[in-house]
Amino acid sequence: GESVGLHLPTLSVQEGDNSIINCAYSNSASDYFIWYKQESGKGPQFIIDIRSNMDKRQGQRVTVLLNKTVKHLSLQIAATQPGDSAVYFCAESPPLMDSSYKLIFGSGTRLLVRP
Amino acid sequence: ETGVTQTPRHLVMGMTNKKSLKCEQHLGHNAMYWYKQSAKKPLELMFVYSLEERVENNSVPSRFSPECPNSSHLFLHLHTLQPEDSALYLCASSQDPPGGSYEQYFGPGTRLTVT
Repeated sequence: GESVGLHLPTLSVQEGDNSIINCAYSNSASDYFIWYKQESGKGPQFIIDIRSNMDKRQGQRVTVLLNKTVKHLSLQIAATQPGDSAVYFCAESPPLMDSSYKLIFGSGTRLLVRP
Repeated sequence: ETGVTQTPRHLVMGMTNKKSLKCEQHLGHNAMYWYKQSAKKPLELMFVYSLEERVENNSVPSRFSPECPNSSHLFLHLHTLQPEDSALYLCASSQDPPGGSYEQYFGPGTRLTVT
């Protein structure tokens, strides 16, 4: 069945270092991918997205890379800060179904930033 | 109020109680979602409403009953729950096609504890 999974459940990084969070997806027909950040006590918040016709997209301090050959997605955070500590989810969207958009979420990676 | 709001933020209920969770979106979206988030599990999609019609019900037990009276409000009615139903219940909204996007906006969630 469709599934999205994460390689590392917890990632600990030193403040100021770069972080890389990985995600594997299973549906080769998925055409949209999104990263969410969830801080303690809050709902998931959008970070960055990418469409399948791209292999890289940059935001402010974040970069998403998409490798469709191996169905792999990664989120890179530059100069990680204490405020980046959270759980990060990737999600994929299969082709438009039943006139509705649908997101399938991965299990999440917890990012811990050491001062 | 802006974005997606949920009430109550915390709820403790016995297995014989009946309670309701409320979600309101102030974004003008036409689709709303209920998710269940348990520890160490991916976000589980429970229900999807598009244009106030239920378009998805992911094999959710009948003790969970959704209601969408209009495009801005979504309820989840709870009755005779089990302890394993304790979780964070997240509401989200998005704008379905035409003219929409895959991005879902989440509320802060209701932390439910069933005793």
